[in-house]
Amino acid sequence: SQQGEEDPQALSIQEGENATMNCSYKTSINNLQWYRQNSGRGLVHLILIRSNEREKHSGRLRVTLDTSKKSSSLLITASRAADTASYFCVPNAGGFKTIFGAGTRLFVKA
Amino acid sequence: DVKVTQSSRYLVKRTGEKVFLECVQDMDHENMFWYRQDPGLGLRLIYFSYDVKMKEKGDIPEGYSVSREKKERFSLILESASTNQTSMYLCASRISSYNEQFFGPGTRLTVL
Repeated sequence: SQQGEEDPQALSIQEGENATMNCSYKTSINNLQWYRQNSGRGLVHLILIRSNEREKHSGRLRVTLDTSKKSSSLLITASRAADTASYFCVPNAGGFKTIFGAGTRLFVKA
Repeated sequence: DVKVTQSSRYLVKRTGEKVFLECVQDMDHENMFWYRQDPGLGLRLIYFSYDVKMKEKGDIPEGYSVSREKKERFSLILESASTNQTSMYLCASRISSYNEQFFGPGTRLTVL
């Protein structure tokens, strides 16, 4: 099992702007998962991208994966105040154990 | 939708008490997890279970035990609660080791 490292640690933007968060990891993966945690809805899974995929979309979310660089990015377009949350990436190699990193704390100002 | 429920949202217990935290999932998931989350320390894995009656220690199992007698239910037991076990406890489940996790709403436990 391995931990993803999110960057930046914190991000503050205005409503309507785009937010980009990055993730780096160290070893080969089967897939990479992004999660969000806020006080209202707890910790929820957002999107899973497999190692043979380069890009995936879900609503206002766009995730990219570059396995050669062992990195991923999460783009939230047209941010809303409700997007204020911590975002975590979880690299998954199929092991039983999963590790959550410190995450990126996103603040979207209305 | 997958639903993971936890027995209590808030719990207050006294030092030395035996505490049971229950987690139930309704989607026939193989794997279940217990985490605790503390400010500045993030989410830390206490125990996980990959099948009924099977369990593995996570990163911080000391002071905790678990029970999984049925596939849908995973219990976390604090044998003798201590103040340093005051925390937010999160349960999660997933279909298998290659899939995403679904989390419960959490139990905020305070040990006085």
